[in-house]
Amino acid sequence: GQQLNQSPQSMFIQEGEDVSMNCTSSSIFNTWLWYKQDPGEGPVLLIALYKAGELTSNGRLTAQFGTTRKDSFLNISASIPSDVGIYFCAGQDKGAQKLVFGQGTRLTINP
Amino acid sequence: SAVISQKPSRDICQRGTSLTIQCQVDSQVTMMFWYRQQPGQSLTLIATANQGSEATYESGFVIDKFPISRPNLTFSTLTVSNMSPEDSSIYLCSVRRILNTEAFFGQGTRLTVV
Repeated sequence: GQQLNQSPQSMFIQEGEDVSMNCTSSSIFNTWLWYKQDPGEGPVLLIALYKAGELTSNGRLTAQFGTTRKDSFLNISASIPSDVGIYFCAGQDKGAQKLVFGQGTRLTINP
Repeated sequence: SAVISQKPSRDICQRGTSLTIQCQVDSQVTMMFWYRQQPGQSLTLIATANQGSEATYESGFVIDKFPISRPNLTFSTLTVSNMSPEDSSIYLCSVRRILNTEAFFGQGTRLTVV
């Protein structure tokens, strides 16, 4: 079955630093989604990508749909304390109803 | 987006009992899904809730253990039956309006089985 490899699994950074995380797939996807999950909450959608090569920003967040359609990355610029949480990538194969999720990247920020 | 209300938000249950989790959406959606998230883990799809017909279960999940209802396009329930401590997890409802669009999540139900 489809697998997503998300890295890194965890990051410990200083406030103000930039962050980069990525996901790679064993198969081609036609949709990539990035979520953030805070403790005790459900995942919240950050960015949705629908076209190969697409680069989309949401404030300090930028995500790209890889040209091979098998990868995606998320960047966070100038991190702040509220960026702490777990970030998940999710992908969908063409015609499939369900999403495949990465293992998550846990972000910790030292003030 | 979609506003999803999931109840209860948390519960502590005795082993051998059952718990029904409700998911209410503020507008009609085509697809509704139920996920399980074990402590420190990613999301695992339990099943797709189909309106007016039996849910479609993923490998490793069966209807007798996780019966699902979806009577209309805005509401679904997931029951965790005959619970054991291994069922302690966060259970999440998710919706998509149509295929190839964003998926939105409820706030989750944190279940502890003692």
